Order: sequence, then structure tokens, then C-alpha cells
Amino acid sequence: QTVVTQEPSFSVSPGGTITLTCGLSSGSVSTSYYPSWYQQTPGQAPRTLIYNINIRSSGVPDRFSGSILGNKAALTITGAQADDESDYYCVLYMGSGIWVFGGGTKLTVL
Amino acid sequence: QVQLQESGPGLVKPSETLSLTCDVSGYSISSGYYWGWIRQPPGKGLEWIGSVYHSGSTYYNPSLKSRVTISVETSKNKFSLKLSSVTAADTAVYYCARHLAVGAFDPWGQGILVTVSS
Repeated sequence: QTVVTQEPSFSVSPGGTITLTCGLSSGSVSTSYYPSWYQQTPGQAPRTLIYNINIRSSGVPDRFSGSILGNKAALTITGAQADDESDYYCVLYMGSGIWVFGGGTKLTVL
Repeated sequence: QVQLQESGPGLVKPSETLSLTCDVSGYSISSGYYWGWIRQPPGKGLEWIGSVYHSGSTYYNPSLKSRVTISVETSKNKFSLKLSSVTAADTAVYYCARHLAVGAFDPWGQGILVTVSS
């Protein structure tokens, strides 16, 4: 089964910019994988940030943006804030009704 | 405002069947969308379990397919998950969520912790 890869951890300084990526163990992420991104803090359900590559969910600030960078999907946070410290997950559509989540990235803001 | 709420036993014995229900309010399941189950073992990442379309068509994670059944009850506006032959590895927070065919999982339920233990 195809594995969806994410950086296990990342750190960013307050006010800084960071790009998290979402790739495949084999092959490239393209628009047909319809990548979406979720933010999760401890004890809470995931919150939808981005879907269909780059569409922000309602209420999500515009400092969160999605794209395809090279052969991966990407989530960029511009002007990181302390409350951006969370786990971030991507999910890709594999076709035939099948979805696969990445392992998640733990983002530290310090 | 669409809201989803998981319910079911918080403790299941090994080898038994885990059964959960997701009650949907603020939207009629029969109007469309896909309705999915996702789980998260303690301290680990998210895993898609499967989804059901409002018509009853189902899609399952290949790694769980032999043990999973997801069904929809449009008359009661809810959908359900059954996972058979559970082991300790099935201990997780189970979430339900709505999604489009190729769209975001949104919204999510608050999640329910299910522990598999004798």
C-alpha cells in the first residue's frame, strides 16, 4: 500500500514562514490526489485548514496556504504564531474511494 | 450548522465487535455527501477506516476491509461502524466526518475513545 509521507517534526520562530510537505512513498502528488490539510491540538478533533490543494476552509486565516511544490503537496504558514503549534496532517485521495492520511507533522513554534 | 456526534461503548473485549454510531444534525444524510470514519490510536496519527455514500455504497481501507462494515440509516439520519475481531491495536479515538467525493473531511465529530481490553 502506498505510504503518504510527512516530516515528523518541524520548528519555526514566531513570525517566521514554514512549509510542510506531503509526499508519496512512490510517485508524485498531483492535483488528482486532491490534497487536504488538518490542524490538530491535543485532545481536540482535527480542524480543516485547506482542501482541494489550495482552498481555505471557512474561517481559516490567509496566512495558511496550500500548493503543489515539485512532487509534493505543501502547506505554508506565513507569519507563524504561538497558537499554530499543533500537529498537522495531510490526506490524499488514491482513487476508487480510498483515502490515505500522512503520519503527521508536529510543529513547534519557538 | 452541521454537527456530528459519535456514540457507543467505550470498552470492548478482545475478539468482539466494536459498534459505533454517528448521529448527524443540521443536514439530511439523504441529501448527499459521503460519511466517513477515521481513527487515531493514542499518541499516533490519523487512519481513514472507510466511508459510505448516502445511497449506501461503501469504501473501505484495504488493510481493514475484512473486518469493517459501515452502513447508513437515512431515516434516522445516522451512520454506523462495525469492526469485528478487535484487538488491543484497535484501541483509538474514533471520529466520524462528512466529506465530498474528493473534498475535505469536514465537519468532524468530537471523537470517542474506544479501549479494547478484557
